[in-house]
Amino acid sequence: QVQLVQSGPEVKKPGASVKVSCKASGYAFTNYGITWVRQAPGQGLEWMGWISADYGNTNYAQRVQDRITMTTEKSTSTAYMELRRLRSDDTAVYYCARGAWWDPRDYWGQGTLVTVSS
Amino acid sequence: QSALTQPASVSGSPGQSITISCTGTSSDVGGYNYVSWYQQHPGKAPKLMISDVSNRPSGVSNRFSGSKSGNTASLTISGLQAEDEADYFCTSFTSTNTLVFGGGTKVTVL
Repeated sequence: QVQLVQSGPEVKKPGASVKVSCKASGYAFTNYGITWVRQAPGQGLEWMGWISADYGNTNYAQRVQDRITMTTEKSTSTAYMELRRLRSDDTAVYYCARGAWWDPRDYWGQGTLVTVSS
Repeated sequence: QSALTQPASVSGSPGQSITISCTGTSSDVGGYNYVSWYQQHPGKAPKLMISDVSNRPSGVSNRFSGSKSGNTASLTISGLQAEDEADYFCTSFTSTNTLVFGGGTKVTVL
């Protein structure tokens, strides 16, 4: 069965970086892209960007494009999302989901809480 | 890209039908048949309920249906059940190769 398992919660200080992982199983990793979405406490969902798992093509949301990098590691079927120069308003649950561009996001990770606090 | 517009809340009694709207522009909802709907229970990850405007993934109840007219997409839940109480989000692919979400609609079963 398809599963996306994300890394554990993180607590970071403002200005630091965080790297969240998303390990895929149950399907051919390079046949699908990965989308990253975040949800601030009590708020809606925000698209952060996506990456193709085969060639690593990316597209990032304008709001974070100068601070974010998405990568994949085909040997371990793992996707990564790194966010730099963290601010308090980056505090959110970060989700990875299978599917990119116009594909439906049909499977989701369990979410990773990133807390940014001094 | 501005968020898609959804009503903040919709409610209904068990057995009734409700419809949630999702309004965008010709650059997103109106321009592509790539509208999806997600259900999210508190503390849980979103679950895909409808893709490509009206396609229901395997395992999703046929009480859920989707449609689109112009720049507005809609999700209808028929035969409302207590387990349907959740937040619902729409998304659309956009002309700038991005994804835009709706603000979310809280569905309450009275």
